[in-house]
Amino acid sequence: AQKVTQAQTEISVVEKEDVTLDCVYETRDTTYYLFWYKQPPSGELVFLIRRNSFDEQNEISGRYSWNFQKSTSSFNFTITASQVVDSAVYFCALSAYSGGGADGLTFGKGTHLIIQP
Amino acid sequence: DGGITQSPKYLFRKEGQNVTLSCEQNLNHDAMYWYRQDPGQGLRLIYYSQIVNDFQKGDIAEGYSVSREKKESFPLTVTSAQKNPTAFYLCATKVQAGASVEQFFGPGTRLTVL
Repeated sequence: AQKVTQAQTEISVVEKEDVTLDCVYETRDTTYYLFWYKQPPSGELVFLIRRNSFDEQNEISGRYSWNFQKSTSSFNFTITASQVVDSAVYFCALSAYSGGGADGLTFGKGTHLIIQP
Repeated sequence: DGGITQSPKYLFRKEGQNVTLSCEQNLNHDAMYWYRQDPGQGLRLIYYSQIVNDFQKGDIAEGYSVSREKKESFPLTVTSAQKNPTAFYLCATKVQAGASVEQFFGPGTRLTVL
């Protein structure tokens, strides 16, 4: 069975601070995908990143960066110089790599990030 | 525009009534999914369909039913057997090509049982 744990239910920081959202996962699959999504108050899910399990290279996209560590089953997300517009619920998710199968995503419970001006 | 359409955005229903949530996509994706989200919770998989006329139960299928008569459409019926149907429902599609996979989500339908 797959499991995703986001231990931080809510994080509140002041604008311009750096903040890291933690994600720990469990899976028996040797190959899998990891995702981060952002959910603003409107409710839609905004795709942020997908990482294949066989690609452990960390990634940076503007103020966002992701640290994938297979040895500790973690896929943490850091926002540098946070802004009020970053306020949202962030979800980490896991999917098996099934070679064309229709596996759904297993989501963590989300971290509510509040950026105060 | 290409994408996933869910209607209506808000839906109210009286207890004991069945209700059907619509999901339409023009992305030409084979796989479609229904997720449920409760406050303070992540999304949980209700049903998914890999191809037309085929669908599989997800983690919380009890009290729900689906059909997949067309590639573009994957409606979800919330039946009176669903004990706590008030939630936010999200439809998604998925495409996988080699080592690449993308999952796309619709805007969601917020269902409230009165």
